[in-house]
Amino acid sequence: DTAVSQTPKYLVTQMGNDKSIKCEQNLGHDTMYWYKQDSKKFLKIMFSYNNKELIINETVPNRFSPKSPDKAHLNLHINSLELGDSAVYFCASSQDGSNTGELFFGEGSRLTVL
Amino acid sequence: ELKVEQNPLFLSMQEGKNYTIYCNYSTTSDRLYWYRQDPGKSLESLFVLLSNGAVKQEGRLMASLDTKARLSTLHITAAVHDLSATYFCAAVYSGGSNYKLTFGKGTLLTVNP
Repeated sequence: DTAVSQTPKYLVTQMGNDKSIKCEQNLGHDTMYWYKQDSKKFLKIMFSYNNKELIINETVPNRFSPKSPDKAHLNLHINSLELGDSAVYFCASSQDGSNTGELFFGEGSRLTVL
Repeated sequence: ELKVEQNPLFLSMQEGKNYTIYCNYSTTSDRLYWYRQDPGKSLESLFVLLSNGAVKQEGRLMASLDTKARLSTLHITAAVHDLSATYFCAAVYSGGSNYKLTFGKGTLLTVNP
């Protein structure tokens, strides 16, 4: 039973298209994140939601729009895809009040823009 | 802004040898994490270090934290091929959001027979 699950795992699309990635966690955590991992494996936070409220919004083009319908779900919609958006996008979650703040990651969604 | 630097970025070692990966961070952080990533896979949490002098061990891996030196180390003892992976450290800026982990660039470890 996967704790943090993302769909789709692979996404190949043309420049200019719009696509979405979905994430669900069954850990009962309060906070969810989107991280981007580029071709050099560098991981950078994009967004974080705590109980459906946006708490971290890094310098990300406004073509990227996260949405959290409830605290167990965090989706990422990307408009007008560009070549530079090709990356692996990881969803993660963590528990408020936990003394570790440990993040639990999903399997990643590999996006390829042609 | 918190910066996290790992070195080396690439490490090729023989089975049975010992080595250490270093993680330096630029500003005050009271939590340090180590993650492992296998090719094409997710990130797996290895250690969470919460205080100065913290030391944790799991199998052939041992992590430590020196908050005064702003340094964490991941020591590998008698490496085996199964340890081949990319290892990331991450820190949280004490004066900022508790939710924002800043990752190092990762250390690609290859253990050769």
